[in-house]
Amino acid sequence: RKEVEQDPGPFNVPEGATVAFNCTYSNSASQSFFWYRQDCRKEPKLLMSVYSSGNEDGRFTAQLNRASQYISLLIRDSKLSDSATYLCVVAGNNRKLIWGLGTSLAVNP
Amino acid sequence: DAMVIQNPRYQVTQFGKPVTLSCSQTLNHNVMYWYQQKSSQAPKLLFHYYDKDFNNEADTPDNFQSRRPNTSFCFLDIRSPGLGDAAMYLCATSSLAGTADTQYFGPGTRLTVL
Repeated sequence: RKEVEQDPGPFNVPEGATVAFNCTYSNSASQSFFWYRQDCRKEPKLLMSVYSSGNEDGRFTAQLNRASQYISLLIRDSKLSDSATYLCVVAGNNRKLIWGLGTSLAVNP
Repeated sequence: DAMVIQNPRYQVTQFGKPVTLSCSQTLNHNVMYWYQQKSSQAPKLLFHYYDKDFNNEADTPDNFQSRRPNTSFCFLDIRSPGLGDAAMYLCATSSLAGTADTQYFGPGTRLTVL
């Protein structure tokens, strides 16, 4: 089993749609959780950290379920500019990041 | 603005010809990382520094070396690039004092090996 697993997609959605990405991780001792966004041929950029209580930043909502070892990202009212790859990232107590392969999102006009 | 800078953005080298990629940061972060990312793959950690302490990943080839002469700068040396080393090389930083594990990336250097 991979340490961090994501559905690679691609997800093709129309503008204005709501889309959800899921991610599972194998190490129950993982401490920190993140979603990064990566545009084609660019560097990853931190989208948001994920907390047990769930957190929201504008149109983006992240949830963490430690019992199920599951992380989610919800994007509401999708914009064309949301088209990118979304990387689920998990960190253990050694501070190293374990990366998923990413989920590709294409928002269409 | 505080940031992570990588030079050059694009590097073309010949098979076997040594190349050095550089990274600098104005964030004053203790930790600096080098990643290799190939197309459609996740970033792969090569090594990282906690201040001056160098930490090599077990599967990083000997062909890859690094230097960190001071807090602000870190270099990646590829001694004899092979065709399989063509990739995007990403530098990242994080602060031991800040939010655990949040890493800030430079724009990357895209390496082509001819």
